[in-house]
Amino acid sequence: DAKTTQPPSMDCAEGRAANLPCNHSTISGNEYVYWYRQIHSQGPQYIIHGLKNNETNEMASLIITEDRKSSTLILPHATLRDTAVYYCIVRVLGSARQLTFGSGTQLTVLP
Amino acid sequence: GAVVSQHPSWVICKSGTSVKIECRSLDFQATTMFWYRQFPKQSLMLMATSNEGSKATYEQGVEKDKFLINHASLTLSTLTVTSAHPEDSSFYICSSRGSSYNSPLHFGNGTRLTVT
Repeated sequence: DAKTTQPPSMDCAEGRAANLPCNHSTISGNEYVYWYRQIHSQGPQYIIHGLKNNETNEMASLIITEDRKSSTLILPHATLRDTAVYYCIVRVLGSARQLTFGSGTQLTVLP
Repeated sequence: GAVVSQHPSWVICKSGTSVKIECRSLDFQATTMFWYRQFPKQSLMLMATSNEGSKATYEQGVEKDKFLINHASLTLSTLTVTSAHPEDSSFYICSSRGSSYNSPLHFGNGTRLTVT
């Protein structure tokens, strides 16, 4: 799986959009970008994934650059419950292998 | 969507005893489950891959005789920490992919093990 780089921490005001960046400059053509988050003392939660088109679901939006070397996860209206560590992971769709977690970004939503 | 249930959510045991952690896939059949361990302020580290009907595959540095994995059915994998010591105190998390080819991996809510 391609390596990803994320900032170690970010703050966001409650109610504002949280934009979490991820660099994956060595991504291969058949690798997808996955986002997970881990709220303190819980297991990781799947958020969203995409290949090259922007994706949106009830939790977040995923914006992938045209060259696919970076992406941004957007939480449109952050709440205090969105405080968590966010992981950007690149892997082949349908891979039966485990997920490899980096350090992620600690997002703190401030009241 | 796919749901992975893990039990217990927390356990405290005395040094030298064994602890069993269960991981169930609730609405799909999981031929493969992954067991992770997470120490405070660190990321998740894969311990082993649990395969239904066959032996588990352990990551380098993980003692297979200490961390016994059983995956006897398509919906249940268990991790037994044998002869637990305080250094085994950690957050243990299981994971599995949903039933369809492109399902993302889903995770249990973890088990906080404290060995006294």
